[in-house]
Amino acid sequence: GAGVSQSPSNKVTEKGKDVELRCDPISGHTALYWYRQSLGQGLEFLIYFQGNSAPDKSGLPSDRFSAERTGGSVSTLTIQRTQQEDSAVYLCASSFIGTSENIQYFGAGTRLSVL
Amino acid sequence: SQKIEQNSEALNIQEGKTATLTCNYTNYSPAYLQWYRQDPGRGPVFLLLIRENEKEKRKERLKVTFDTTLKQSLFHITASQPADSATYLCAPGDLNTDKLIFGTGTRLQVFP
Repeated sequence: GAGVSQSPSNKVTEKGKDVELRCDPISGHTALYWYRQSLGQGLEFLIYFQGNSAPDKSGLPSDRFSAERTGGSVSTLTIQRTQQEDSAVYLCASSFIGTSENIQYFGAGTRLSVL
Repeated sequence: SQKIEQNSEALNIQEGKTATLTCNYTNYSPAYLQWYRQDPGRGPVFLLLIRENEKEKRKERLKVTFDTTLKQSLFHITASQPADSATYLCAPGDLNTDKLIFGTGTRLQVFP
């Protein structure tokens, strides 16, 4: 597609369940980012993939969070044993790391509600 | 640690006026600074980028300044319109990392 696609757009789950969020980046973009945005808050960096390099996981809040990127394209963010504080919008962005600046293109996000 | 500050309070202005949003940063020397617009239920959309050696950058009704001495960027929207109502995020970046640090954003409301 022309833009970054995220699915599902909304996810309601029960506390303790695992969830998987998907991101399809723009074709040809080498970098992929996951952010979390709580209500009325800014973007909290979670994890970053660039090409075949090891991902930068420095923003993951706990070991319940993990992400993978298959074939350098689609990425999945997994949250295990969800907690109510995990409720937020999870945004994915991709960029082409070929110029000196890093313009990011965002998906519409997945709104996660943990009951 | 690096800190990015934007006015947390909403900015309310009348249509036709100029809106000015502020982005301050500390413990950081960015090589460039980006501004994004975010509408409710949407992801941020890139608007403008200004480099450290540029004082000012313009795009249509938008103007961005970058003062590395004051550690501040100002984002102006001239002749504002209700359609400009959104949250605006600043994101400084440097050439040593591919990560951006986003400010919390300022919500702009333009009323007729």
